[in-house]
Amino acid sequence: AQSVTQLGSHVSVSEGALVLLRCNYSSSVPPYLFWYVQYPNQGLQLLLKYTSAATLVKGINGFEAEFKKSETSFHLTKPSAHMSDAAEYFCAVTFISGGYNKLIFGAGTRLAVHP
Amino acid sequence: EPEVTQTPSHQVTQMGQEVILRCVPISNHLYFYWYRQILGQKVEFLVSFYNNEISEKSEIFDDQFSVERPDGSNFTLKIRSTKLEDSAMYFCASSHLINTGELFFGEGSRLTVL
Repeated sequence: AQSVTQLGSHVSVSEGALVLLRCNYSSSVPPYLFWYVQYPNQGLQLLLKYTSAATLVKGINGFEAEFKKSETSFHLTKPSAHMSDAAEYFCAVTFISGGYNKLIFGAGTRLAVHP
Repeated sequence: EPEVTQTPSHQVTQMGQEVILRCVPISNHLYFYWYRQILGQKVEFLVSFYNNEISEKSEIFDDQFSVERPDGSNFTLKIRSTKLEDSAMYFCASSHLINTGELFFGEGSRLTVL
C-alpha cells in the first residue's frame, strides 16, 4: 500500500537557520512527489514537485527538495529560514491508479520560525 | 492563469441540514476530486470523479455524501444530513493529464456545523 510519512509534526528553527522537513514514502511504482504549503486559514499552495526528471527540484520561496530513490525520501530544505516561512507543510505523493491520479498527503509538519 | 474556484468560502449550518459545496474546475481538466481537512489534521482524500462517474471513494465518503457534475462547468459535493464531525475545510481539485501527477486545488470551503 502507498503511504507518506512526515517525521516531526512540529519543527522550530531560528531565523536564518537551515530548514529541513522530512518526508518518506512507500510505493511499489515510481511516484510523483510534491510539497505543499498552507498558511493559516488559507488553501494549499504548491511549493515544488518531482515528476521523474531532475532529482533535485527547486521550488518557490527558496525551497528545494531532493528525490532519493534508495532512501524513498523527498526531504524539503531551505538554506536560510525567514519569518514568513512559518506555516504548515505537507508532503504528498500521487500514484496513477486505475487511469487517474490519486494524491495522498502526509500528516503535515508545522514550521515555526523564531527571531 | 486558470484556477479552481470554490464557493462558498465559508458556510455555517445546523446539524441535520443539507449542504452543497460548489467547485468550478479548470476548464480543460477531466479528473475531479474532493479532499477534506479537519482543523489541525491532515488533508484526506474523499472522492475522485471522471467521465461522469465516481472513480474511487474513501471510507469517509459514506452514503450521506454525493458528488455531481450537473453541467459542463460545476462539480458539487453534497452532504445530505450534516453532522458535527463534518466540520472541516473541503478542497476541490482537478487535473488534466495523468502523466504529470499534479492536482490543482481550490482555496477551500470551510464548513462549520453547529
